[in-house]
Amino acid sequence: SAVISQKPSRDICQRGTSLTIQCQVDSQVTMMFWYRQQPGQSLTLIATANQGSEATYESGFVIDKFPISRPNLTFSTLTVSNMSPEDSSIYLCSVERTSGASRGNEQFFGPGTRLTVL
Amino acid sequence: QKEVEQNSGPLSVPEGAIASLNCTYSDRGSQSFFWYRQYSGKSPELIMFIYSNGDKEDGRFTAQLNKASQYVSLLIRDSQPSDSATYLCAVMDSSYKLIFGSGTRLLVRP
Repeated sequence: SAVISQKPSRDICQRGTSLTIQCQVDSQVTMMFWYRQQPGQSLTLIATANQGSEATYESGFVIDKFPISRPNLTFSTLTVSNMSPEDSSIYLCSVERTSGASRGNEQFFGPGTRLTVL
Repeated sequence: QKEVEQNSGPLSVPEGAIASLNCTYSDRGSQSFFWYRQYSGKSPELIMFIYSNGDKEDGRFTAQLNKASQYVSLLIRDSQPSDSATYLCAVMDSSYKLIFGSGTRLLVRP
């Protein structure tokens, strides 16, 4: 499986500010995703980070609030904008194992970024 | 609304017993099924995946899939205290998106 790192591992931020989270993979991958895990809950997909084009957002998530960049096949960023305490969560990037053009393969997760908004 | 249902637990088993974790899903078009283990404060770790009906064994873990009943399970043999964690069932829908259940907390008593 790919080795995935995220920065920062945790942060405490003030209301109204923004935080950019970085995700780095040690090999080229086609599919990268961003998830949120709110306290005591399961994972919710925020968006698919597409290389060379805009991210594809899930229902309830918008680009103005969660802008995503994917400049190449090994790196992506997620920004949480104009934060409120409700954004306190763990943010996780994941990658799908690349197997030619086939989809539906296993996904592996980075270590996560624990965000607290005061 | 595509759903993945799990009993939240906790499921408590004695050390050495078999732990049985269950999951049902609503989308009949789902093709890929995954079990993740998540320790407190850590990210999910993939432990098993299954694509075809039947059983798939890997060490102490066995995944079972029944597409007709829309049911997937995970058996952990010879449970150890280190297996105590939350187990997340995830189903990949026809759009290749992972839908997660809410997780079952497993507690293995020494």
